[in-house]
Amino acid sequence: SAVISQKPSRDICQRGTSLTIQCQVDSQVTMMFWYRQQPGQSLTLIATANQGSEATYESGFVIDKFPISRPNLTFSTLTVSNMSPEDSSIYLCSVGTTSSYEQYFGPGTRLTVT
Amino acid sequence: KQEVTQIPAALSVPEGENLVLNCSFTDSAIYNLQWFRQDPGKGLTSLLLIQSSQREQTSGRLNASLDKSSGRSTLYIAASQPGDSATYLCAVIYNFNKFYFGSGTKLNVKP
Repeated sequence: SAVISQKPSRDICQRGTSLTIQCQVDSQVTMMFWYRQQPGQSLTLIATANQGSEATYESGFVIDKFPISRPNLTFSTLTVSNMSPEDSSIYLCSVGTTSSYEQYFGPGTRLTVT
Repeated sequence: KQEVTQIPAALSVPEGENLVLNCSFTDSAIYNLQWFRQDPGKGLTSLLLIQSSQREQTSGRLNASLDKSSGRSTLYIAASQPGDSATYLCAVIYNFNKFYFGSGTKLNVKP
């Protein structure tokens, strides 16, 4: 399984600002994903990060709010833009295997917006 | 829309007990099912993946079963330990980008 790291591990931000979260994988992977986990809730997929092209967003998530970059097969970033307290969540990146679609997750970034 | 339900939402047991966590899903046309563990404020750790052609998978004290036709999976934990305390999530997989998570079962194993 891949080893996934995320930076920062946590942050406290003021409303109206933006935060960029980094996800680094120790091997080249085809599929990378970004999830949000709001307090007390389960995980919701934000988007699939596509290498060299625009991310594919799920219903309810837009590029202007959550721009994603994926410059290569081991790295991706998620930006949470113009933050509000409702954006306070854990943000997780994951990678998926092409054979069984099994997913492995990073440690998450805990974001608090005040 | 696919719905994934986990029962119970919370469970507290004394150390040493065997226990069963349940996961049910509405659309049985799944590709695979994956069980995860999540410690407070942390990411997810993969426990077991069951492919749709399999009926069960085992790893140490963990055994997961899958009954596609009835839309159910169970995670059996034998001889529970305080270190097993965490939230357990099941995820139903339909495609590479179609993962549906249950809301989890929060397990507390008392010493």
